[in-house]
Amino acid sequence: NAGVTQTPKFQVLKTGQSMTLQCAQDMNHNSMYWYRQDPGMGLRLIYYSASEGTTDKGEVPNGYNVSRLNKREFSLRLESAAPSQTSVYFCASSASPSYEQYFGPGTRLTVT
Amino acid sequence: GQQLNQSPQSMFIQEGEDVSMNCTSSSIFNTWLWYKQDPGEGPVLLIALYKAGELTSNGRLTAQFGITRKDSFLNISASIPSDVGIYFCAGHGANSKLTFGKGITLSVRP
Repeated sequence: NAGVTQTPKFQVLKTGQSMTLQCAQDMNHNSMYWYRQDPGMGLRLIYYSASEGTTDKGEVPNGYNVSRLNKREFSLRLESAAPSQTSVYFCASSASPSYEQYFGPGTRLTVT
Repeated sequence: GQQLNQSPQSMFIQEGEDVSMNCTSSSIFNTWLWYKQDPGEGPVLLIALYKAGELTSNGRLTAQFGITRKDSFLNISASIPSDVGIYFCAGHGANSKLTFGKGITLSVRP
């Protein structure tokens, strides 16, 4: 039982490049989330998926897209990376939106 | 919007001491969660609270859901070096979105 897994762990991109961050959970959770964590800013919600087939914007969605591929997987795409997107990205999941969230280990992204 | 306040930003304690952290808000929350984050890792859930007044323990950790639903505290007893890390409170407000505090960095001196 791995919980929430994320790939890759580290990534360096040049400005303008694109990439997809992958997230999977094996807890049979309905809801999944993407956050970014920056020094002094805490955790900020980028996008979430309350249930399979739905996605909604969070607090900081600009520059990102998401896909809820199936119940287990929720990916985050940066179409044209910018230095302001340098951050640590966490995926999380929960049984439903009102329950506790479980986090993955994070992806450390640097955009130069 | 809803905000959770955690202060101070950093706490320094001696190994073996107890420490208490609290989290406050001007809004009512329906759940309170406490997470710990180690360097280079994701936040790990320590305790989840779902009822006002609820007091829950997890080993040396004890947390309470405030009666007013606007605060929660976390106690760590008999601290050890591996308690070092950042402690976040989080809560679900009326909109069911999870709001996080900025976290408290705990240092434990041996």
